[in-house]
Amino acid sequence: NAGVTQTPKFQVLKTGQSMTLQCAQDMNHEYMSWYRQDPGMGLRLIHYSVGAGITDQGEVPNGYNVSRSTTEDFPLRLLSAAPSQTSVYFCASRGLQDGLFLGNEQFFGPGTRLTVL
Amino acid sequence: AQKVTQAQTEISVVEKEDVTLDCVYETRDTTYYLFWYKQPPSGELVFLIRRNSFDEQNEISGRYSWNFQKSTSSFNFTITASQVVDSAVYFCALSEAQTGGFKTIFGAGTRLFVKA
Repeated sequence: NAGVTQTPKFQVLKTGQSMTLQCAQDMNHEYMSWYRQDPGMGLRLIHYSVGAGITDQGEVPNGYNVSRSTTEDFPLRLLSAAPSQTSVYFCASRGLQDGLFLGNEQFFGPGTRLTVL
Repeated sequence: AQKVTQAQTEISVVEKEDVTLDCVYETRDTTYYLFWYKQPPSGELVFLIRRNSFDEQNEISGRYSWNFQKSTSSFNFTITASQVVDSAVYFCALSEAQTGGFKTIFGAGTRLFVKA
């Protein structure tokens, strides 16, 4: 099992450019999420999905779009990159236990370091 | 509203010292889970432990131990006889039943330096 994979590992964008961060998992997990990690702020939830076709916003969704067409993939789109989106982005997935996600740990991808100039 | 506070931004210890990382949480929910994750210098996030709100038993795993106290809303993590390999950022996190566990909240993290 590859677990959770993310591409690219590093990316530099110019302000106003768009791009998609890719995330895939092979654990058949229904729940997937995107976080951004900034110094002194921990991980903040951007968007999450509880299954194909179902997505919802987290704490900091502005400037990001997501879609979930398959169980395996959960891409994150930056529509018009801004310097404030310079961060490390983590994708995570989570399985069900007794029909709930609540008590299960998240499995994280290796992260994407994004710099917006 | 849910909140996780890790007041210690950085801690520096010498190898073999014991160290405790503090985690204080806020929630109005009666059913919730608390987690600890480790982020070593390589950058990946690794799950360490979970504890549900109905289980206040302390847990020990090798040199690691966790103290959950609902009375003080704390879930502290102690490393006994620290080693250089323990150097990492440690995150405490909270998932509430009222959000279905969909919105896990992380603390800001504590960076631990263990010097040889």
